[in-house]
Amino acid sequence: GAVVSQHPSWVICKSGTSVKIECRSLDFQATTMFWYRQFPKQSLMLMATSNEGSKATYEQGVEKDKFLINHASLTLSTLTVTSAHPEDSSFYICSVFWDRGEKLFFGSGTQLSVL
Amino acid sequence: GESVGLHLPTLSVQEGDNSIINCAYSNSASDYFIWYKQESGKGPQFIIDIRSNMDKRQGQRVTVLLNKTVKHLSLQIAATQPGDSAVYFCAEARIQGAQKLVFGQGTRLTINP
Repeated sequence: GAVVSQHPSWVICKSGTSVKIECRSLDFQATTMFWYRQFPKQSLMLMATSNEGSKATYEQGVEKDKFLINHASLTLSTLTVTSAHPEDSSFYICSVFWDRGEKLFFGSGTQLSVL
Repeated sequence: GESVGLHLPTLSVQEGDNSIINCAYSNSASDYFIWYKQESGKGPQFIIDIRSNMDKRQGQRVTVLLNKTVKHLSLQIAATQPGDSAVYFCAEARIQGAQKLVFGQGTRLTINP
C-alpha cells in the first residue's frame, strides 16, 4: 500500500487565491519531508526541505513567503501556495525520508491549475 | 548541480526488446544513485538504486550500471513490456544526506507493440 499520502490529487483555483497541499507519512514518523515541483516535460526540481519543528529550508530561487511550508507533526507536512498565479500551475510532489532504511518515498503528486 | 531539460529525450523500442537508458550525473561527490519511473500524472516510482562502491546491480528485469570515472549511469530493461512505457529519471545524492536528491533530465521510453 501507499507509504505517502498526498492530497488533493488535483486542484483548480482562481488567480489570487491560496491553495494548501498535504503530505502524510502513513507508515513511519518523518522528521524530514521534501517538496518538489515539476513543469510539463521537465524534471523534478526540489523546492524546499521541510523539517519537523523548525523552519523549512528553501532552495535558491524559491520564494519562502509564497510557498509556505508547515511541518507541525512527524507525519504531516503542508505546502501552501499563497496568492497563486497562472505561472504557479505545476505538478507538486512531496517525498518522505525513512531514516532507518535510508529510503525516499514519493507522494502521488498534486496537479495545480491556476486560472 | 541540477539538470533540468527543456526537451525530454525519447527512446522507442519494440516490445520484447531490451532497452538502455543513459544518464550523466554532475556531482563527483555523489555516492548514491536511484532510477525512478514516472507515469503520466503520478509521482516517481522507485525502480532500483546503487551505491558508489558497486558498478552493477540487478533487479527483476532491470540492471543499473555505474561508471564513476565518466560519471555515467545506465538503466537496462530486459524484455520490455507495454507497461514499461513511462518517463525514467536518474537521481543522485550523497548517502550522508541521501534524502536530498538531484534529478536528471529524464527520458521518455515508448514501447511499440
